Amino acid sequence: DQQVKQNSPSLSVQEGRISILNCDYTNSMFDYFLWYKKYPAEGPTFLISISSIKDKNEDGRFTVFLNKSAKHLSLHIVPSQPGDSAVYFCAASGRSNYKLTFGKGTLLTVNP
Amino acid sequence: SQTIHQWPATLVQPVGSPLSLECTVEGTSNPNLYWYRQAAGRGLQLLFYSVGIGQISSEVPQNLSASRPQDRQFILSSKKLLLSDSGFYLCAWSLGDYFYEQYFGPGTRLTVT
Repeated sequence: DQQVKQNSPSLSVQEGRISILNCDYTNSMFDYFLWYKKYPAEGPTFLISISSIKDKNEDGRFTVFLNKSAKHLSLHIVPSQPGDSAVYFCAASGRSNYKLTFGKGTLLTVNP
Repeated sequence: SQTIHQWPATLVQPVGSPLSLECTVEGTSNPNLYWYRQAAGRGLQLLFYSVGIGQISSEVPQNLSASRPQDRQFILSSKKLLLSDSGFYLCAWSLGDYFYEQYFGPGTRLTVT
């Protein structure tokens, strides 16, 4: 039972363009959503998050959008840079249960 | 600032051998601690989490166990490894009500042969 789904295993974009990473969830009890970035052989690093009471959160080149009715969130990276090439994980959490549920990740490749 | 350490970085163990992976956090008190596993081609699977010394919650049935002997120390163990235990093991921490913002260690690559 995959409660957090990242249906695109990979994405390739040109440097300077926009990268859009998508994530769907099924559990309506989730109320906090996060994106993590992971390089090979390293632990994931926290990137950006959004509470269910918001529909958008922006941090520099990164913006996360949440559509609760569609149970869908997306991460926009503008402009994309070669250093953004990594696996991006979407994660979700319910209220006060101390756990994150992760998607399987999307490999983003930004070509110079 | 807070830092998290995991060791060893890589480990090759035969089937049936024991396992002990250690994780320590510096620069904070009473963190929530987590063990995750990333198997090949899969996402991050939560194995155990702890909200305090001696308090361990298990997420999946398996031949692994976890212990928290000290506030900032989290240990993952097994008495007998299986081939299916191979993977990338990650320790993470978070604080109190901000449990959802978790910070990960560098990970341990375990290969069971």
